[in-house]
Amino acid sequence: NAGVMQNPRHLVRRRGQEARLRCSPMKGHSHVYWYRQLPEEGLKFMVYLQKENIIDESGMPKERFSAEFPKEGPSILRIQQVVRGDSAAYFCASSQTDGRNEQFFGPGTRLTVL
Amino acid sequence: GNSVTQMEGPVTLSEEAFLTINCTYTATGYPSLFWYVQYPGEGLQLLLKATKADDKGSNKGFEATYRKETTSFHLEKGSVQVSDSAVYFCALSDPSSNYKLTFGKGTLLTVNP
Repeated sequence: NAGVMQNPRHLVRRRGQEARLRCSPMKGHSHVYWYRQLPEEGLKFMVYLQKENIIDESGMPKERFSAEFPKEGPSILRIQQVVRGDSAAYFCASSQTDGRNEQFFGPGTRLTVL
Repeated sequence: GNSVTQMEGPVTLSEEAFLTINCTYTATGYPSLFWYVQYPGEGLQLLLKATKADDKGSNKGFEATYRKETTSFHLEKGSVQVSDSAVYFCALSDPSSNYKLTFGKGTLLTVNP
């Protein structure tokens, strides 16, 4: 009865490298959400995906960030050419249907950019 | 835009003490309100919620009442336990989309025996 899984739990990258964060939703869940928590701030919505579709990416930075949720496999949040300001905790959540159902959160990935 | 302001931590209490963590919000329309809890090394878990004014959410001895007039959703528990030590997040859902949650910064609670 696994919950939402995220890996890695901690990721260190140098400026200019790429970061890939993975999220496996709970079994039976087809809706995935990504949130970012910058230092000293609350979690902020980034993107909402269903299988093979981006439903709402209004919280995603316009450049360098992308997300996918393929038919098979985990959802991926990809950050290209990371900068120090990308250092944050990235949380993934999943729900059984749309957001009116409870969102179940993973433990987060803490990204540190050197 | 929507925002949530919650009490700065950390909060340290002795076992069986009374707990209040304040939360106020700014939103257009009528959001749903939530409290999430994060235990060390785990993901956020929904603790309780309220979907309309004057609703009271409750779970595991915790309570919060949706106060539209003061735009508040304060978390209370009459007698805390060591096992309640965690980070508590107040959140609201965007009335226009439901799935878009806005969180406060979180309040770290430590309960000592």
